[in-house]
Amino acid sequence: AQKVTQAQTEISVVEKEDVTLDCVYETRDTTYYLFWYKQPPSGELVFLIRRNSFDEQNEISGRYSWNFQKSTSSFNFTITASQVVDSAVYFCALSPRFGNEKLTFGTGTRLTIIP
Amino acid sequence: GAVVSQHPSWVICKSGTSVKIECRSLDFQATTMFWYRQFPKQSLMLMATSNEGSKATYEQGVEKDKFLINHASLTLSTLTVTSAHPEDSSFYICSAILRDNYGYTFGSGTRLTVV
Repeated sequence: AQKVTQAQTEISVVEKEDVTLDCVYETRDTTYYLFWYKQPPSGELVFLIRRNSFDEQNEISGRYSWNFQKSTSSFNFTITASQVVDSAVYFCALSPRFGNEKLTFGTGTRLTIIP
Repeated sequence: GAVVSQHPSWVICKSGTSVKIECRSLDFQATTMFWYRQFPKQSLMLMATSNEGSKATYEQGVEKDKFLINHASLTLSTLTVTSAHPEDSSFYICSAILRDNYGYTFGSGTRLTVV
């Protein structure tokens, strides 16, 4: 069975601060995919990143960066120089095998950026 | 890119009536569609998996007679909430697998309020 844990329920930071959202996962599969999604107040899910279990390289996309560490089963997400538009709920998710199965979502972290 | 169009965006219905939610895949064929439910400030919980031309597979605890899923074509999946009650009020969102790149695309969600 897969499980995704996002221990931080809510985080508030002042604009321009950096913030890291934690994600820890459990799976027995040797091949799996990890995802991060953003859910603004409007409700739609915005895809941020997909990482497969064989690729442990960290990734940076603008102000966003991701740290994948298989040794600790973590896939953390950092926003640098946060902006008010970053305020949203962020979900980490896990898909087994070749990404053609259902996603298991974490409980989400509600991020509030204070102007 | 691959888009799933979900309608309606929001609906208010009276207790005891039925509501149909549609998800259409645009520009691609969705052989598998997932239906999720999200209660306020909670995560997305998978309700069922539908495959084109076959019966849906429901997650434990989800009443298949209450939440009717039809996936009659490769571009359309529907979820009908029958005899809706106030406790069915929730955010419902569909998702299709993108087999070419092992990703998922989500509909924009339907906010159902039963009064």
